[in-house]
Amino acid sequence: AQSVTQPDIHITVSEGASLELRCNYSYGATPYLFWYVQSPGQGLQLLLKYFSGDTLVQGIKGFEAEFKRSQSSFNLRKPSVHWSDAAEYFCAVGAYGGGGGSNYKLTFGKGTLLTVNP
Amino acid sequence: DTGVSQDPRHKITKRGQNVTFRCDPISEHNRLYWYRQTLGQGPEFLTYFQNEAQLEKSRLLSDRFSAERPKGSFSTLEIQRTEQGDSAMYLCASSLGPGNIQYFGAGTRLSVL
Repeated sequence: AQSVTQPDIHITVSEGASLELRCNYSYGATPYLFWYVQSPGQGLQLLLKYFSGDTLVQGIKGFEAEFKRSQSSFNLRKPSVHWSDAAEYFCAVGAYGGGGGSNYKLTFGKGTLLTVNP
Repeated sequence: DTGVSQDPRHKITKRGQNVTFRCDPISEHNRLYWYRQTLGQGPEFLTYFQNEAQLEKSRLLSDRFSAERPKGSFSTLEIQRTEQGDSAMYLCASSLGPGNIQYFGAGTRLSVL
């Protein structure tokens, strides 16, 4: 079964500083990988996704992530953080399970809470 | 396309009562998923539908939980005889087929007193 580890529960950065959020996954095949962001009391908004091809993917709001198969990682980066980026960030792996191969679901990490200092 | 909508946004109930949540997916999406998110955790898969067929249920979905998707459009999630441990955010997502992006609603936050 697939799993996702986000080692950092809480990260604090200053506005304008660079950001890297870590994500490690476990899955037997090439995974579909996602980063979602959740503001307080809200649902999840997709930041970016990796399905195949170029291992550096660009997303919305200036975020990017790099898929490294050798490290089973999909870290999220942003060169300059804005106060509005404060939120919780979730890494997820999408994978097919049993049931004839059509059972597909997302498995999420526990999230990283980002605080941005002025 | 108004996105995935969930109703109600918040529900407060007493232990032992039944509650029902509704999810309206993006109109052309044939897959609909339910997830549960507790405090400090990421969303956890509960169940999903392909059109009107419920194809997989997590072990998290006890006998007190039932989900339906009549006519393959909106879905309902019912919890009978609620317990305090059911307090969580219940998220609905929809997608156009498996392996495609899942779009999430804002969720229904359930508090069981």
